[in-house]
Amino acid sequence: DVKVTQSSRYLVKRTGEKVFLECVQDMDHENMFWYRQDPGLGLRLIYFSYDVKMKEKGDIPEGYSVSREKKERFSLILESASTNQTSMYLCASSPGGDPGLGSKYFGAGTRLSVL
Amino acid sequence: AQSVSQHNHHVILSEAASLELGCNYSYGGTVNLFWYVQYPGQHLQLLLKYFSGDPLVKGIKGFEAEFIKSKFSFNLRKPSVQWSDTAEYFCAVNAANFGNEKLTFGTGTRLTIIP
Repeated sequence: DVKVTQSSRYLVKRTGEKVFLECVQDMDHENMFWYRQDPGLGLRLIYFSYDVKMKEKGDIPEGYSVSREKKERFSLILESASTNQTSMYLCASSPGGDPGLGSKYFGAGTRLSVL
Repeated sequence: AQSVSQHNHHVILSEAASLELGCNYSYGGTVNLFWYVQYPGQHLQLLLKYFSGDPLVKGIKGFEAEFIKSKFSFNLRKPSVQWSDTAEYFCAVNAANFGNEKLTFGTGTRLTIIP
């Protein structure tokens, strides 16, 4: 069974703090993703990575950065947290190859509140 | 750019009723289509997917979806719903280019089943 583990279920941070959200997958997947989920807006892609040290911007990368130093770990960084970044953050992974065949596996999510 | 519309934001049904959730996408080329489900307190998980072949796709728990290319639609159906189908359902699409992992989600439909 594929496991995507996000380090925290709930986080509370203050405006201006630097925030790290960690995600680890145990299935040797090439691809990893960060989404944010907001009511009425669905899931929106922030960043993704096809391989170690590679990253691609998604639809809403502003205010975020990512790091992928090891294949199994993909970190989302909020350099200076703001209240509009209060959200549920979902990490996902998928195997490489034909994207029609490779389904994404999601973590449980991190609910971040920025005060 | 690809986009997905789910027009039903919240659907309430009684047990044993039939279900159809709408999904329309916007993209001029070949696509892969997905339905994901998020049960209360659980991870987002794949319900079914279409990438080629028979446009009628069967998934887990008695769900099916039909890809109608002329209507740019991929509606989800179930002939008789159960209380345990209460969840949020997300339609998603990606362009069927090899190596393209960018999945675009709809805003989701919350389904509530009344016992």
